[in-house]
Amino acid sequence: QSALTQPRSVSGSPGQSVTISCTGTNSDVGDYDSVSWCQHHPGKAPKLMIYDVSKRPSGVPDRFSGSKSGNTASLTISGLQAEDEADYYCWSYAGSLVLFGGGTKLTVL
Amino acid sequence: EVQLVESGGGFIQPGGSLRLSCAASGFTFSSYWMTWVRQPPGKGLEWVANIKQDGSEKYYVDSVKGRVTISRDNAKNSLYLQMNSLRAEDTAVYYCVRVMRYYDSSGQIKGYFDYWGQGTLVTVSS
Repeated sequence: QSALTQPRSVSGSPGQSVTISCTGTNSDVGDYDSVSWCQHHPGKAPKLMIYDVSKRPSGVPDRFSGSKSGNTASLTISGLQAEDEADYYCWSYAGSLVLFGGGTKLTVL
Repeated sequence: EVQLVESGGGFIQPGGSLRLSCAASGFTFSSYWMTWVRQPPGKGLEWVANIKQDGSEKYYVDSVKGRVTISRDNAKNSLYLQMNSLRAEDTAVYYCVRVMRYYDSSGQIKGYFDYWGQGTLVTVSS
């Protein structure tokens, strides 16, 4: 099974909004409402930001939101802040297996 | 506070073996699926293996099948990853991760990785 497809990089200025896409197939993203997103600052433990497509764990700001349409899931970050600069990964169940996206580097200009 | 602490990483020659450990605390370890995720240098995250609460179900990514075994000891609150016949492409930071896994009302599997350890580096090189 192939990894999910994410843009390699996105950027935005403080206060703006950015959206990161995560494209799979109808055997993974399209078939399971189990897409999650994490934020990863290099050298640190990844942090869960979104699960079950659009749910936020306790403590995650509501500036982070998730959605899905067909085989593509999306993470939107509004009101960009400097500390949002990080790598973002999506993942989805595909049966009993798990597929990750290739990761997107978010740069806050 | 949930804590996951990996150990056992290091430098190993191709063809060698290594056993990673993960000490869990701050939650009822025996109630959760667990997983290993790895990140090769300069690359993205890759799911490696899952294990059910009682160890009765295990799943692996194709690239490690037959070489890697995930296991757990609930009495010791510990997760393991036995890696044999190691290859250069196994070089990565390996993360121990707690899994929230369940079935929704329609019977479809759902799950997410909610707590991650800091990772342990495995370097396979001659």
